[in-house]
Amino acid sequence: QVQLQQSGPGLVKPSQTLSLTCAISGDSVSSNSATWNWIRQSPSRGLEWLGRTYYRSKWYNDYAVSVKSRVSINPDTSKNQFSLQLNSVTPEDTAVYYCAREKHYFDFWGQGTLVTVSS
Amino acid sequence: DIVMTQSPDSLAVSLGERATINCKSSQTVLYSSSDKNYLAWYQQKPGQPPKLLIYWASTRESGVPDRFSGSGSGTDFTLTISSLQAEDVAVYYCQQYYSTPYTFGQGTKLEIK
Repeated sequence: QVQLQQSGPGLVKPSQTLSLTCAISGDSVSSNSATWNWIRQSPSRGLEWLGRTYYRSKWYNDYAVSVKSRVSINPDTSKNQFSLQLNSVTPEDTAVYYCAREKHYFDFWGQGTLVTVSS
Repeated sequence: DIVMTQSPDSLAVSLGERATINCKSSQTVLYSSSDKNYLAWYQQKPGQPPKLLIYWASTRESGVPDRFSGSGSGTDFTLTISSLQAEDVAVYYCQQYYSTPYTFGQGTKLEIK
């Protein structure tokens, strides 16, 4: 059974960097049949896909246009996990952040992390 | 981007009655070469992540009760709960995985009447 365990701070100051990690068990971040995604949820924006990383003989990333200039999603094969970094955050980035596995649809999700952007 | 629009925004149904939620995409999510609709349904309860219920528009995820069913093709889809149970109170979302950016509907809140 696949499990995704999220970690990272719940409070980030404006203009700083939001960093979260998603540890994978029961699958590999280097899988050739899955992609590894970050999704956030807020009352104002609903469920919003942020981006993904995946391996198909080499590493690829896709990002949502809304965050493309500020976001980075990276695999860590030594720890079988992947991370989210979102730079220059504002209060608009306050949301519950989820990691999720995609095999076309999102079949496994992390527990969610509420990240509040506030000074 | 493909815009997903659900209706209604909220719904109150009596226990044992049928609940129907609609989802419309701004462009087709039917991939002609595979004849598959790239459409999923999720259930979300408070404090929990979304849970996959239905994929390929009509395939139930393992362990999902058979009172949940999905139908539709192209741009119009429906999630039906045939006999509402108390544990089905939740918010339901449709999502397209036809193309990135993957997008979700705004959600339908299902309550007991």
